Parts: sequence; structure tokens; C-alpha cells
Amino acid sequence: AQKVTQAQTEISVVEKEDVTLDCVYETRDTTYYLFWYKQPPSGELVFLIRRNSFDEQNEISGRYSWNFQKSTSSFNFTITASQVVDSAVYFCALSSNTGNQFYFGTGTSLTVIP
Amino acid sequence: NAGVMQNPRHLVRRRGQEARLRCSPMKGHSHVYWYRQLPEEGLKFMVYLQKENIIDESGMPKERFSAEFPKEGPSILRIQQVVRGDSAAYFCASSPELAGTFTDTQYFGPGTRLTVL
Repeated sequence: AQKVTQAQTEISVVEKEDVTLDCVYETRDTTYYLFWYKQPPSGELVFLIRRNSFDEQNEISGRYSWNFQKSTSSFNFTITASQVVDSAVYFCALSSNTGNQFYFGTGTSLTVIP
Repeated sequence: NAGVMQNPRHLVRRRGQEARLRCSPMKGHSHVYWYRQLPEEGLKFMVYLQKENIIDESGMPKERFSAEFPKEGPSILRIQQVVRGDSAAYFCASSPELAGTFTDTQYFGPGTRLTVL
């Protein structure tokens, strides 16, 4: 069974603080893909990153970084020097080669306070 | 390059009416997926379609819900005889032609927010 758990329901930080959003996944597949999406207050879903199970290199994109650890089945997302515009709901998702659908976590609502 | 288009953005229906949600995939994408997001929840898969074919409808409710992706025109998610529990945001996503078993990124539209009175 495929499952994504985002244990943090809501997080509030003060602007310029760093924040890490946790994502833990479950799958029996050896080939799978992990994603992060951002849902700002306007409601659309914005693709942030895709990672396949064979690539455990961490990735950095500006203030965003992702830490993929197969040993703990985690794919955590860190925002450095947070800004008010980062306020959104962030979803982690899992997909595998054996299926077509994405499995989403329940999301983490991030509020950055100015 | 236009993204995934969905219309309407907001739809209000009374119980018992029909709701039709439209999705135009990104240019060059031939795979369409529909997801439902209930309040305070993540997205749940409903159906996966290619042109004129339903590939996977394992997430679709057995009754009142149907989806199509005709050769010409947008994909349609149709909900007949809507009930209050159908109130949700419905998202469409698209992806390019899959190469073998390669799973590509799904790009999402802005969603249609359905409210059933």
C-alpha cells in the first residue's frame, strides 16, 4: 500500500526563520517518485520538485532544499529565511511505476508572520 | 505555454442538479487525471484518462460520477444528482505521453470549487 504522512498540520514561523516540513512515505515498490506541491491561498497547486527513488542526492533551489533519506523513508522540505509569500499549504506526494495515481499527504499549513 | 485550464473556477449547484467540470490539459499532454480535495484534506485520486479511454477509475464513486476525455475538446467530470457531500475542490492534472513505465510529473490546474446548497 502507498501512503504519505505529513504529521505537521500547521506551522507558524516568524519571517526570516528557517522551517522544515516533514514527509514520511510508505511503499513496497522499489521504483517510486516523490513530489512536493505548494497550494497558496489562491488555491492552485504549484509543482515544486520531483525526486526518483534512485537519486538520494539532496537538492537546493534558492531558499528551498530537500532532504531525501531512503533509510527513514522521508523526504523533508526546508525553507531557509522564510518570507510571508511562503505562507501556503504544502503537500508531499508519492507515485510509483506500478500505478498512475499520486498519493498525497494531508498537507502542512505554513504561516509566515511578518 | 498555457498551463492546465479548468472551468468554471467556482460552481454552485442545488441538491439534485448536475455538475459538469471541464479540464483542458497542457499543450502536448495526452494524459488527464482528476482528484478531489475535501476541506482540510489532501487530494484523493479519482480517475485517469487518455484520449477516448478511461485507464484507471479506481477512485471514482460507483454512482453518479463519470468522466470522459473525447478525441476533441476538454476532459469532463460529470456529477449527477449532486448531494452536499460532493462539495469539494476538484483538481485536474495532466502529464505528457509516458515513455514505457516512466512516471512523469503531473501539472495541476487551478481547480473547480463545487458548492452544493
